[in-house]
Amino acid sequence: EAGVAQSPRYKIIEKRQSVAFWCNPISGHATLYWYQQILGQGPKLLIQFQNNGVVDDSQLPKDRFSAERLKGVDSTLKIQPAKLEDSAVYLCASSRSLDNEQFFGPGTRLTVL
Amino acid sequence: AQSVTQLGSHVSVSEGALVLLRCNYSSSVPPYLFWYVQYPNQGLQLLLKYTTGATLVKGINGFEAEFKKSETSFHLTKPSAHMSDAAEYFCAVSEYQKLVFGQGTRLTINP
Repeated sequence: EAGVAQSPRYKIIEKRQSVAFWCNPISGHATLYWYQQILGQGPKLLIQFQNNGVVDDSQLPKDRFSAERLKGVDSTLKIQPAKLEDSAVYLCASSRSLDNEQFFGPGTRLTVL
Repeated sequence: AQSVTQLGSHVSVSEGALVLLRCNYSSSVPPYLFWYVQYPNQGLQLLLKYTTGATLVKGINGFEAEFKKSETSFHLTKPSAHMSDAAEYFCAVSEYQKLVFGQGTRLTINP
């Protein structure tokens, strides 16, 4: 069974630029999560999808971050415009349903200069 | 709201020695508790989890953790450290289907 795929693995941009990350969850997993992991900290949930609907986006900075999961499968997280403090690893995870184990992708390391 | 505190951002042990990583949590409901491991440039991998039932939970790679409700703790242990155990370890609590992570403990193994 293939794991959670993320791309790109690394991205370097300048502040005020835009960036997008892509995630393809494990086949059949209905729930998809995006986390932000700042260096030296634990992952923080940004947004949680159940199929193509948003379950929780209370910690997503909606003035600059957006995410979608249009067909209930893969997902895109966008930052527009980026700030220096957005430098972090963005992790995608998926699970069969809300109560099941989450499986994590390798992450995208974003550096904002 | 639930929270997790991991005591010690960095733990160093000798190969073959006991590994003890500490985790305390707060939760307003009976918690689900997890330990994840993260190797460099990789995602998180589940080591073990406590949901209900037996309070001593065994996980992969020889790790185990004990849920102690009276102490609100879920410490991770391994009797004998191996060089391959060097990684970052995260304790997490789940409440209402959301995972809240501690800040992590970096484990270094000395030969």
